[in-house]
Amino acid sequence: DVKVTQSSRYLVKRTGEKVFLECVQDMDHENMFWYRQDPGLGLRLIYFSYDVKMKEKGDIPEGYSVSREKKERFSLILESASTNQTSMYLCASRPRGVPGTGELFFGEGSRLTVL
Amino acid sequence: GEDVEQSLFLSVREGDSSVINCTYTDSSSTYLYWYKQEPGAGLQLLTYIFSNMDMKQDQRLTVLLNKKDKHLSLRIADTQTGDSAIYFCAESISSNTGKLIFGQGTTLQVKP
Repeated sequence: DVKVTQSSRYLVKRTGEKVFLECVQDMDHENMFWYRQDPGLGLRLIYFSYDVKMKEKGDIPEGYSVSREKKERFSLILESASTNQTSMYLCASRPRGVPGTGELFFGEGSRLTVL
Repeated sequence: GEDVEQSLFLSVREGDSSVINCTYTDSSSTYLYWYKQEPGAGLQLLTYIFSNMDMKQDQRLTVLLNKKDKHLSLRIADTQTGDSAIYFCAESISSNTGKLIFGQGTTLQVKP
């Protein structure tokens, strides 16, 4: 089974702190994604990566950056956390260019609270 | 731009059928998906439909696609309390990157 692991399930940080959210997948997938989930807004794409050291902005990249130094690991960075970044963050992965449904495989989420 | 819309809440009684509706805007979407999120968990693919199909049935699940109206629905027959979850509709806008656009999610509450 594909496993996408997010290292922290729950985090509490203070305004202005630097926050790292880590995501690791074990199925050699090329494409990885960071989404943010908020009630009534669904999932919104922050950044995605289709290869090592490659990244593209999603729909809401402001206030975030990402790092993809190894194929299996995709990190989301909040350089200076703000209260409006309190949310659930979901990491996902999928193989590139595989015929079929293009299903995304999700981690269990990291719930971040910024005080 | 691309947009996917869902109603936010649906309540049914155990044993009834549930119908969750979704509208999307990108007519070039290849696949449309239904994901399920149980409390405290990530999303899992429930079912999907290819854009050249009108209907897909999988056990208790029936997906209907009306391409003309850009309307997708998920019907759950004989709804059980274990079906209580958030259901997300999503459309695929890039087969290469795998980028999906998700709706707001419909919370399904199943009353015993």
